[in-house]
Amino acid sequence: GDSVTQMEGPVTLSEEAFLTINCTYTATGYPSLFWYVQYPGEGLQLLLKATKADDKGSNKGFEATYRKETTSFHLEKGSVQVSDSAVYFCALTRNSNSGYALNFGKGTSLLVTP
Amino acid sequence: GAVVSQHPSWVICKSGTSVKIECRSLDFQATTMFWYRQFPKQSLMLMATSNEGSKATYEQGVEKDKFLINHASLTLSTLTVTSAHPEDSSFYICSATTQTGNNQPQHFGDGTRLSIL
Repeated sequence: GDSVTQMEGPVTLSEEAFLTINCTYTATGYPSLFWYVQYPGEGLQLLLKATKADDKGSNKGFEATYRKETTSFHLEKGSVQVSDSAVYFCALTRNSNSGYALNFGKGTSLLVTP
Repeated sequence: GAVVSQHPSWVICKSGTSVKIECRSLDFQATTMFWYRQFPKQSLMLMATSNEGSKATYEQGVEKDKFLINHASLTLSTLTVTSAHPEDSSFYICSATTQTGNNQPQHFGDGTRLSIL
């Protein structure tokens, strides 16, 4: 079935470092791709999305490009802050029995140190 | 906008008890709500899809008699864990969408941590 694989964490970076979290997907159709973020003690928040090949999603300095040729949707940020410490989930839509549910990756924990 | 409220946020109860979790969309009408389960340090796994006014659709391996889902209105879905046992202890998260279509984002509640003693 459709699935996403994202890099294992935890990832520890110093403030202002460059961030990449890899995500690749397997899908039979043309899913939409998402990155969600979960801050400590909170629920999931949508960070960005892309709905078709070559789309670039961006928000709060984070970017990810839907690459059909490499089946990837890597998350990047040029300069991370301590406040970016959270768990990041890559996800794609799947056509469930009714409605478009999400298949999530296992999550990547990011810790940014001052 | 697009706020989803989930209640309670934490519940501890004895084995054999039934527990109801509510998921409300506060400022929009949710055509579809989803219920996920998250084990420690693992990903979210879809349990069921709930459309207002119809029976929930359960994923393979999820016992529908164990996890009762009701979606009585466009702003409320409930998940009842019946006769809960320690193995049901987990983090349950709901989400809601405003429209159909595979590019519509889901809006998540803050989750309910269920601990069965």
